[in-house]
Amino acid sequence: GENVEQHPSTLSVQEGDSAVIKCTYSDSASNYFPWYKQELGKRPQLIIDIRSNVGEKKDQRIAVTLNKTAKHFSLHITETQPEDSAVYFCAASDSGGYQKVTFGTGTKLQVIP
Amino acid sequence: EAQVTQNPRYLITVTGKKLTVTCSQNMNHEYMSWYRQDPGLGLRQIYYSMNVEVTDKGDVPEGYKVSRKEKRNFPLILESPSPNQTSLYFCASTENTGELFFGEGSRLTVL
Repeated sequence: GENVEQHPSTLSVQEGDSAVIKCTYSDSASNYFPWYKQELGKRPQLIIDIRSNVGEKKDQRIAVTLNKTAKHFSLHITETQPEDSAVYFCAASDSGGYQKVTFGTGTKLQVIP
Repeated sequence: EAQVTQNPRYLITVTGKKLTVTCSQNMNHEYMSWYRQDPGLGLRQIYYSMNVEVTDKGDVPEGYKVSRKEKRNFPLILESPSPNQTSLYFCASTENTGELFFGEGSRLTVL
């Protein structure tokens, strides 16, 4: 089955700096790669996703890049703000997200004001 | 308001006492799934369902059962709970965009 590894497990950055979280996956059939943000005590919520036919996607201060050859994808957050502090999960799916979805173990991001 | 509703939100039970966590969505989504969240392990998929009467195992199905008799409901059943099933459980639904809409979570403690 799919295996998703996520690094780092914790990340502290100064407000205004950039943050990068990296994930690798094992199943070359995976075609959908979402990123979820989970604030303390809340449910995970989708912040951005990318499909295997696209190499990069951007939405304001967040961007995701995908390297299918190397089987890795990354989340980039620029100009970090205190409200970006949360746990971020990457995931991979071979069914567009409808069936099997495998999550990484999460990255706790702390943005220091 | 579009939502996924789970009940109960908190539950403390004892080993072996059958329990059901209900999940209901009002978005007419075909796909539903259950996850457990444990520190350091992230979210792990327990079961998923593509439609009424169609369910399949995720990565950690042992000790759990599900049923999908109606499109809107997808209950998670623990026939004989054990302490290693103490966890935070999330139900989710999705349409063909792939985005998972999670419920608020159910924190289960098995003594």
